[in-house]
Amino acid sequence: QVQLQQWGAGLLKPSETLSLTCGVVGGSFSAYSCSWIRQPPGKGLEWVGEYSYSGTITYNSSLMGRVSISMDTSQKQLSLTLTSVTAADTATYFCTRGWGYWGQGSLVIVSS
Amino acid sequence: DIQMTQSPSAISASVGDRVTITCRASQDIRHYLAWFQQKPGQVPKRLIYTASTLQSGVPSRFSGSASGTEFTLTISSLQPEDVATYYCLQHHDYPRTFGQGTKVDIK
Repeated sequence: QVQLQQWGAGLLKPSETLSLTCGVVGGSFSAYSCSWIRQPPGKGLEWVGEYSYSGTITYNSSLMGRVSISMDTSQKQLSLTLTSVTAADTATYFCTRGWGYWGQGSLVIVSS
Repeated sequence: DIQMTQSPSAISASVGDRVTITCRASQDIRHYLAWFQQKPGQVPKRLIYTASTLQSGVPSRFSGSASGTEFTLTISSLQPEDVATYYCLQHHDYPRTFGQGTKVDIK
């Protein structure tokens, strides 16, 4: 049974760096496109970026310059980094494998 | 960017009613469309992929269809456990884009 487990800091100050990791249990990310999605409190879903099955990485242009997605060599951990965070980055962040499997979500609050 | 226009934004219906939610894509997305259900405080759950394929384990009262750039999610007989917000997603092109969501509750 495939499960995605997320971890990372949940409370940040403005200008700090958000760092989240998504690990897969019972499988791997290999051969799947994997995305990070975020959802501000009470709002809809927003695509952050994707690590494709071919290794191509694509980001939401609204975050360009601040966002980075990477995959470890074992293809079992997907990471998200977002620099210079502001209150507007407060959201629950989800990882997904192929859109069918989702992590449990990580609430990240940016507050001074 | 491909815009996904989802309607209605909210719907209140009785148990047993047929409920229809529509997403219209601003350009051709082939059948690269999925539907998700998100209950309060929970993770989105995929119901439909490639526009009309039912995810394993999802009740058969859920169905998806497509006509050109218009995509429809239908709940044939609304149940209390279907109270949730529903989102469409296009993954034909970048950036991936979601509809604005439809909140479904029981009248």
